[in-house]
Amino acid sequence: GAGVSQSPSNKVTEKGKDVELRCDPISGHTALYWYRQSLGQGLEFLIYFQGNSAPDKSGLPSDRFSAERTGGSVSTLTIQRTQQEDSAVYLCASSLGLAGANEQYFGPGTRLTVT
Amino acid sequence: ILNVEQSPQSLHVQEGDSTNFTCSFPSSNFYALHWYRWETAKSPEALFVMTLNGDEKKKGRISATLNTKEGYSYLYIKGSQPEDSATYLCAPSEGTALIFGKGTTLSVSS
Repeated sequence: GAGVSQSPSNKVTEKGKDVELRCDPISGHTALYWYRQSLGQGLEFLIYFQGNSAPDKSGLPSDRFSAERTGGSVSTLTIQRTQQEDSAVYLCASSLGLAGANEQYFGPGTRLTVT
Repeated sequence: ILNVEQSPQSLHVQEGDSTNFTCSFPSSNFYALHWYRWETAKSPEALFVMTLNGDEKKKGRISATLNTKEGYSYLYIKGSQPEDSATYLCAPSEGTALIFGKGTTLSVSS
């Protein structure tokens, strides 16, 4: 079946512009996670959604970052007024339930470059 | 915030060698531990999800053990093959989010 998809695969933007990254999770997966990997760093948790519960935004690095998940499916991560330190690979993952005991299925990622 | 340490940071072995990596994490509030394999130009792929102290899991030539009381997990690869070359990530969880370590990068030469 279809896996997790993300778009765009690559995005180059100028400093100060807003960007939107999209994630389509596996159908039926109630939990959706966003991570990023900056150069030389590990995977950094950003935010997760579980069903209709309020999202856990504890990993968002600043108020320039926001995310929403419409209809319990597709999610969009928005970065406003991008900065060069936002350059990273942004990964989305979904799981059947909260990832505590459920393996996560990752998308191919979006490579964001802020010039 | 969980502090996850993985060692070694990188490892280079010959085909046929067996190897193991370590993941250390705080033992308090433990809920589960995940291992993922991340090959270059691909997405991370789940290997194991472990929840109980003393858990041992196996998938082919790869196995893992878990000690929740002392806060560590070992990943073993028996008879390494070039296709095992990847970064191996561990990620403990306190119930919801996963906190990933920086990984161990394995390179296997034929």
